[in-house]
Amino acid sequence: EADIYQTPRYLVIGTGKKITLECSQTMGHDKMYWYQQDPGMELHLIHYSYGVNSTEKGDLSSESTVSRIRTEHFPLTLESARPSHTSQYLCASSDGGGQIYEQYFGPGTRLTVT
Amino acid sequence: QKEVEQNSGPLSVPEGAIASLNCTYSDRGSQSFFWYRQYSGKSPELIMSIYSNGDKEDGRFTAQLNKASQYVSLLIRDSQPSDSATYLCAVNIVSGFQKLVFGTGTRLLVSP
Repeated sequence: EADIYQTPRYLVIGTGKKITLECSQTMGHDKMYWYQQDPGMELHLIHYSYGVNSTEKGDLSSESTVSRIRTEHFPLTLESARPSHTSQYLCASSDGGGQIYEQYFGPGTRLTVT
Repeated sequence: QKEVEQNSGPLSVPEGAIASLNCTYSDRGSQSFFWYRQYSGKSPELIMSIYSNGDKEDGRFTAQLNKASQYVSLLIRDSQPSDSATYLCAVNIVSGFQKLVFGTGTRLLVSP
């Protein structure tokens, strides 16, 4: 079944640690996105990719970095986690063609930095 | 002015009633419009997409688009308690790159 996966689902980690949030999709989509969402607040785009070796920063400034070495994989890395990074991180993907930009979301990673 | 605006609610309706959710957007060039449902603590789930003026029906859901007035609405007929969630309106915006801009969402509460 085509789907989008994120691991871990929950992560509690101490300040200064390096973390990588994994996102994989089996839908064959070209475009992938990372959003950040605080509880009860709106979604903010922090990174996007239109294909392999293509990554761009989104609207919300983020200290995280991303890579896109394989079409299906779009990991997000924080080199040194801080309490201000505590949030929910949502990965999404969409097809690359036409004007249809339906985005499908993974289950999310809830990150807590202590 | 925000690019996509929604009333935060909560919108309270009794079970079986019609829930009407509204969204306005600022970019006249937008061509694609989406409604997502998000349960508390979960990720957004796509429930409707609409690209042309008029109505689009899918089960109990009807999306309505009026590009001249720059608004999109979502009607939920025969509302159920399980429909209680936050509904996000998303609009494609061309700003150097194609992106979806999400509204802050309207919280819907359906009481038994």
